[in-house]
Amino acid sequence: NAGVMQNPRHLVRRRGQEARLRCSPMKGHSHVYWYRQLPEEGLKFMVYLQKENIIDESGMPKERFSAEFPKEGPSILRIQQVVRGDSAAYFCASSPFTGGEQYFGPGTRLTVT
Amino acid sequence: GENVEQHPSTLSVQEGDSAVIKCTYSDSASNYFPWYKQELGKGPQLIIDIRSNVGEKKDQRIAVTLNKTAKHFSLHITETQPEDSAVYFCAASKTQAGTALIFGKGTTLSVSS
Repeated sequence: NAGVMQNPRHLVRRRGQEARLRCSPMKGHSHVYWYRQLPEEGLKFMVYLQKENIIDESGMPKERFSAEFPKEGPSILRIQQVVRGDSAAYFCASSPFTGGEQYFGPGTRLTVT
Repeated sequence: GENVEQHPSTLSVQEGDSAVIKCTYSDSASNYFPWYKQELGKGPQLIIDIRSNVGEKKDQRIAVTLNKTAKHFSLHITETQPEDSAVYFCAASKTQAGTALIFGKGTTLSVSS
């Protein structure tokens, strides 16, 4: 049973470009969480999604960031018009049910030049 | 909202010694407390968790204790080995709401042989 998969593992974007990060949850998991980790810091919650629904986006910046988890395919975290401060590691985690254990993927390391 | 404090930020031990990491949380409604191990360049790995109806849980060399009254929980690693060297994160959440994990800032554990 494959774990949580994320791609790309590394992404370099110039300021003003768009970044798209993908997350495929573990088989049988329909709950996805996105977290951001800045250098030397812990993980900060961004958004919680179930299939086709955003459940909690309280940690998501109000502008430029969006997330989706369509009926078919991976969850996508989209960052428009990236700025240097968006450089970080972005992790997704999946869970089999509400309140269940969260299993993390390997992360996408975004660098904005 | 919930706030999780973690101490110490760095911990150095000799191989074979025990290591203890402590966390406190602020929201008395939190009822789920996982611990994650993160190695360099990798995603967080769930190593043990505890729910608020349990005071202690053990898994081989790892144990977690929870004191709901004092709102703190601890990770204990016995007979440490060099491969235990990593960053350890505690987290808290309210599972009935399916809410996100709130993480501490992490403890860098170094085990020297």
